[in-house]
Amino acid sequence: EPEVTQTPSHQVTQMGQEVILRCVPISNHLYFYWYRQILGQKVEFLVSFYNNEISEKSEIFDDQFSVERPDGSNFTLKIRSTKLEDSAMYFCASTDRGRTYEQYFGPGTRLTVT
Amino acid sequence: KNEVEQSPQNLTAQEGEFITINCSYSVGISALHWLQQHPGGGIVSLFMLSSGKKKHGRLIATINIQEKHSSLHITASHPRDSAVYICAVNEGAQKLVFGQGTRLTINP
Repeated sequence: EPEVTQTPSHQVTQMGQEVILRCVPISNHLYFYWYRQILGQKVEFLVSFYNNEISEKSEIFDDQFSVERPDGSNFTLKIRSTKLEDSAMYFCASTDRGRTYEQYFGPGTRLTVT
Repeated sequence: KNEVEQSPQNLTAQEGEFITINCSYSVGISALHWLQQHPGGGIVSLFMLSSGKKKHGRLIATINIQEKHSSLHITASHPRDSAVYICAVNEGAQKLVFGQGTRLTINP
């Protein structure tokens, strides 16, 4: 069964460094999402992406964050200058056009900022 | 903005017991999701509902649109059902708003 994949599974970085989290959505899916979950807290929406542009973003998704679909298969989340409070699990998800509401989640990337 | 509340926050039961987890939301929605999160952190979609009831194996999900309430039931619970169960609702077609999760522990 097709699945969403994410790399790396765990990323450790120093405060102020740039990180790129990578996702490969299911191949025929058209809508892509990033969510994050700070340890012990609920999952939060960051951004949705369709037709090569952001369709919605949350107040968390400020100028330090960006998303890109550089090659038609990867979907990336970049954090330009990481802060301690960016430490979280980041989940990518995707949906196809015909079943817009059902989202398929990747296994997550645990980001630790030291 | 939708507020999604789940109850209980924690639930411990014995193997074989019937389990109910509740979810309420504050604003009308297009769909509601039940998700399962295992200790490793990965999230798996269990159900997506916009009305009525769905069943998959020992899991049953119901939704009452008028009451803005949904329940997830597990029949004949088993230790492998131990996980965090999360309710999430669609705001519009895309963005999901999540509840805080219910941590379920099933003891043998």
